[in-house]
Amino acid sequence: DAGVTQSPTHLIKTRGQQVTLRCSPKSGHDTVSWYQQALGQGPQFIFQYYEEEERQRGNFPDRFSGHQFPNYSSELNVNALLLGDSALYLCASSLSSLLRNEKLFFGSGTQLSVL
Amino acid sequence: QQQVKQSPQSLIVQKGGISIINCAYENTAFDYFPWYQQFPGKGPALLIAIRPDVSEKKEGRFTISFNKSAKQFSLHIMDSQPGDSATYFCAARNSGGGADGLTFGKGTHLIIQP
Repeated sequence: DAGVTQSPTHLIKTRGQQVTLRCSPKSGHDTVSWYQQALGQGPQFIFQYYEEEERQRGNFPDRFSGHQFPNYSSELNVNALLLGDSALYLCASSLSSLLRNEKLFFGSGTQLSVL
Repeated sequence: QQQVKQSPQSLIVQKGGISIINCAYENTAFDYFPWYQQFPGKGPALLIAIRPDVSEKKEGRFTISFNKSAKQFSLHIMDSQPGDSATYFCAARNSGGGADGLTFGKGTHLIIQP
């Protein structure tokens, strides 16, 4: 049973560029959440996708956008990259039918470096 | 505004000892409090979680103690082992109003010395 898979594992971009990160949820899961983890910090909630729609959003600007596909996989897009966007981006999946999606399963993340 | 404050930032415990990590929260609407364990190069993994209707939950060597009136909760790791060396995060969530995102603490880097 494959867990949450993310690609790529590492990425280097330049300020102003755009980036797309990808996530495949754990088998059987239908909800995907994205988190940003800066070095030495806890993860910060970006947004959550369910039934191909953004259901909730954290305190992140519109430069951060996402998409969920019919097979429940998801993409995170970041436009106009800033140096401060350098972080580990984590995808977490859950099953909506469980109580409030409580059990989150995280992938190993994509390490994004913005130069 | 940091809604979940975690301490200590780092902790060194001898093998076989008890590791204790503390968290305090501000938002009284929080009603779900998980602890996550993260190893280098990996994503966080759910360790144990508690709801505020109980004061303690134990799973194996891991125990959460919860004090609703003080708005504090803590993780106790009994008989700590070198394999427990990792970064631990407390988190909290308000399950009402469609809010599903977790608010994490800043983490505690735990080292268990053999």
